[in-house]
Amino acid sequence: AQSVTQLDSHVSVSEGTPVLLRCNYSSSYSPSLFWYVQHPNKGLQLLLKYTSAATLVKGINGFEAEFKKSETSFHLTKPSAHMSDAAEYFCVVRHQIYGNKLVFGAGTILRVKS
Amino acid sequence: ETGVTQSPTHLIKTRGQQVTLRCSSQSGHNTVSWYQQALGQGPQFIFQYYREEENGRGNFPPRFSGLQFPNYSSELNVNALELDDSALYLCASSLGSSGGETQYFGPGTRLLVL
Repeated sequence: AQSVTQLDSHVSVSEGTPVLLRCNYSSSYSPSLFWYVQHPNKGLQLLLKYTSAATLVKGINGFEAEFKKSETSFHLTKPSAHMSDAAEYFCVVRHQIYGNKLVFGAGTILRVKS
Repeated sequence: ETGVTQSPTHLIKTRGQQVTLRCSSQSGHNTVSWYQQALGQGPQFIFQYYREEENGRGNFPPRFSGLQFPNYSSELNVNALELDDSALYLCASSLGSSGGETQYFGPGTRLLVL
C-alpha cells in the first residue's frame, strides 16, 4: 500500500536561509506525489505535484521538490525562507488503486525565525 | 483562496448526537472528497462522491455517511458521535474522479465532541 513518511515533525530556520522538508514514500508503482501547505485556520493549498514527468518539480512561492526513485524520496526545498512560509506542510501520495484517495503524511511544522 | 466553502466553521456537540457538515464545491467541479484531520495528524480519507454516487471509502464506520446533490454540493453526516470524532473535517473538490485531478480544499469545519 502507498504511504509517506515525513522525517521531521518540526523544522526551524532563520529568515533568508534555505528550507528542506524531508519526505520518503512507499509505493509498488510509479507514484503521484504532492506537497500541500496548511496555514493556521486555512484550508490546504497545493504547492506542487509530481506525476511522472520531470523529476524536478517547481511549485508556487519559490518551492520545488525533486523526485528520486533510487532513494524513494520527494524532499521539498526553498532557497530562502520568508516569514510567511511558517505553516504546516504535508507530503501526499495518491493511492495507486483508489486513485481518488490521497494518503497524507503526518506533517512538518515549519517555523521561521526573524 | 479556492472556491470551496464549508459550513459551519465551528461546531460543538455532545456524545451520541448527530451532526451534518456541508460543502460547496468549486464552480465546474463534479467530485467532492471528505477528510478527517485529528489534532496533530495528517488528513485521512473518509469517502468521495462523484456525480451523486459514493466513489470510494476509507476506513471509517457506517455511521459516517454522505450525500452529493445535483449541484455537486455535499453533506457529511456523522451519527452517534464519539469523543474521538473531534477533528477538523475538510472537503475537497475536483473535476473528475480518476485520480489525475488536483483536489482543492476548503477551510474546514472544526468539530468538538464533549
